[in-house]
Formats: sequence, C-alpha cells, structure tokens
Amino acid sequence: DIQMTQTPSTLSASVGDRVTITCRASQSISSWLAWYQQRPGKAPKLLIYKASTLQTGVPSRFSGSGSGTEFTLTISSLQPDDFATYYCQQYSTDTTFGQGTKVEIK
Amino acid sequence: EVQLLESGGGLVEPGGSLRLSCAASGFTFSTYAMSWVRQAPGKGLEWVSVISGSSIRADYAESVKGRFTISRDNSKNTLFLEMESLRAEDTAVYYCAKDGVVATTRPKFFEYWGHGTLVTVSS
Repeated sequence: DIQMTQTPSTLSASVGDRVTITCRASQSISSWLAWYQQRPGKAPKLLIYKASTLQTGVPSRFSGSGSGTEFTLTISSLQPDDFATYYCQQYSTDTTFGQGTKVEIK
Repeated sequence: EVQLLESGGGLVEPGGSLRLSCAASGFTFSTYAMSWVRQAPGKGLEWVSVISGSSIRADYAESVKGRFTISRDNSKNTLFLEMESLRAEDTAVYYCAKDGVVATTRPKFFEYWGHGTLVTVSS
C-alpha cells in the first residue's frame, strides 16, 4: 500500500498568512494526487486534483504543486473560511488519504 | 446540481448487519464509479469500497473485505453498502462519493460527497 504522510499535523496561522501543507508519498504517484478541505461536521470538499488542477469554483488563493513523492498545498492569503482540516489523497494505486492537517486560528 | 443523500445508518450490535443507501441525482449516475469513504469519530478519512458504473468491477479496503458488499441500481440511481459481521472499529460516518472521472473502474478523486450517515457498532 502507498502511505501518505502530511506535515504538519496542526498549523496555527492568522488571517492573511501564506500557508503551506506538505504531503509525501511512500513511492512515486506521478501527479495522481488530490486535496480536500473539511470543515467540522461537514463532508470533505474537493479543492485540487491531478496535483495542481483547481476544481471549478475553488478560490484562486488555493494552489497545488509537486509530482512523484512530494506535494504541497498553498493558501496564498488565509481567509476566515479556510480554518479547517485538509487531506491529501493519492489515486495512483488504489487510493489512500493522508492523516490530515488542521489549520487553526493563531 | 449534483446531490448525494445517504441513509440507513444507526446503532447496531457487534456481529450485526446494516445496509446503507445513497440516492444520487443531478448527473448520469450509470457513467460514474461510486465509492464509500468512512471517517471514525475524530479521525481521518478511509476509503472503503468502489464500484464501477456498470457494476463490472468492485474493490474493497482490506479492513472490510469479505464483510462488506457494494452494489448499485442504475435504474434507481442508488448506491448501496451491505455491511455484515460489524465490529466496533467500523463505527464511523460513512460518505458516498462520486468519482471525478467518467467511466473509471478504480477510485480516482472524489468530486462530490454526500453529507454522510453515522454507523455506531456497540452493545
């Protein structure tokens, strides 16, 4: 199985901050990676797929990059709605999720 | 507008069974693979099972293989998950999710999610 490791597990930030979350795969997954946002009590929401393709309707402050085994999700200027938990997901071989990164208010 | 509405969750004793349903609308149901993804209380996301649009192929996570069965009724735009021999560790919110790629047989990314249904396995 491909393991996905996100860092950090928790991130404290302020509105307006630039935030970066890293996701590492235990083996190469090319660009078969997605990012999701989950607010408390809500279903996950797709943000990015194929490592860097922004899902329709997602604000442009979200961006994704990387290939192979290392990927990043960047929020260029954190907004109040962005305090949530973020998950990466590989879909190169079957599918697995990272353990999540909680973005909390500093 | 795509809508996915899960139902069937509840409290069940260890060893018991439960059948979840997911009613889909707003897209051509039969052309997309559908998955179940679960989330234990306070934990992360775990993919459970996928079924192709035509039901030709189904796959399962090792943790549920042999106990859970995924199926679909394309005439009723409904996805199912039959769960047997339930264990405490199956306690979770179960989400149905629509694949983001048409005509796949394996799980890809999940474009739309339902609101989830809670399954609690406890005596």
